[in-house]
Amino acid sequence: QVQLVESGGGVVQPGGSLRLSCAASGFTFGSYALHWVRQAPGKGLEWVALILFDGNEKHYADSVKGRFTISRDNSKNTLYLQMDSLTPDDTAVYYCAKAVVVIAATPPEYWGQGTLVTVSS
Amino acid sequence: QSALTQPASVSGSPGQSITISCTGTSSDVGGYDYVSWYQQHPGKAPKLIIYDVNTRPSGVSSRFSGSKSGDTASLAISGLQAEDEAAYFCCSYAGGGTYVFGSGTEVTVL
Repeated sequence: QVQLVESGGGVVQPGGSLRLSCAASGFTFGSYALHWVRQAPGKGLEWVALILFDGNEKHYADSVKGRFTISRDNSKNTLYLQMDSLTPDDTAVYYCAKAVVVIAATPPEYWGQGTLVTVSS
Repeated sequence: QSALTQPASVSGSPGQSITISCTGTSSDVGGYDYVSWYQQHPGKAPKLIIYDVNTRPSGVSSRFSGSKSGDTASLAISGLQAEDEAAYFCCSYAGGGTYVFGSGTEVTVL
């Protein structure tokens, strides 16, 4: 079965950096686009970034563009999110998610359990 | 990339049908047939229940159905059950490889 396990969350000061990882199993990792989606405490879902199956195309929400970088290592079945210049508004649970259809940039289907990022001094 | 507009809450009695709306613009909901819906129980990860406006993933109950008219998409839940009590979020492709989620709707089963 599909499994997505996020790690790397924690407490970081404003202006700091953090790198999230998402280890995947149970599907052909290199054939699917992957998303990062976040959810601030008690709030709704916010789409963050998308990377296509081969890593050659990446897209970002305006709120993180220029600060966050999505990447993947298909040889390790792992997705990453490098987060720089963090602000308190970035405090959220970060989910990685597998796209619903192979190859195409389709919406999230299976989600991990999330990792909490807290930006605070 | 403004959030799509959903009602904050919707309620219904067991066995009843309810509908949740999701209003966007011609740049997202109205421009593409790529609306999806997610169910999220407290403390849990979201679960995909509808994609491409009206397609149910394998294993999702037929009590859930989706539709779209213009800039507004809708999720209908028929035969409301206690287990349907959860938050529901719509999501739309917004062009340029980006997506936008709705503000979320809390469904209460009375």
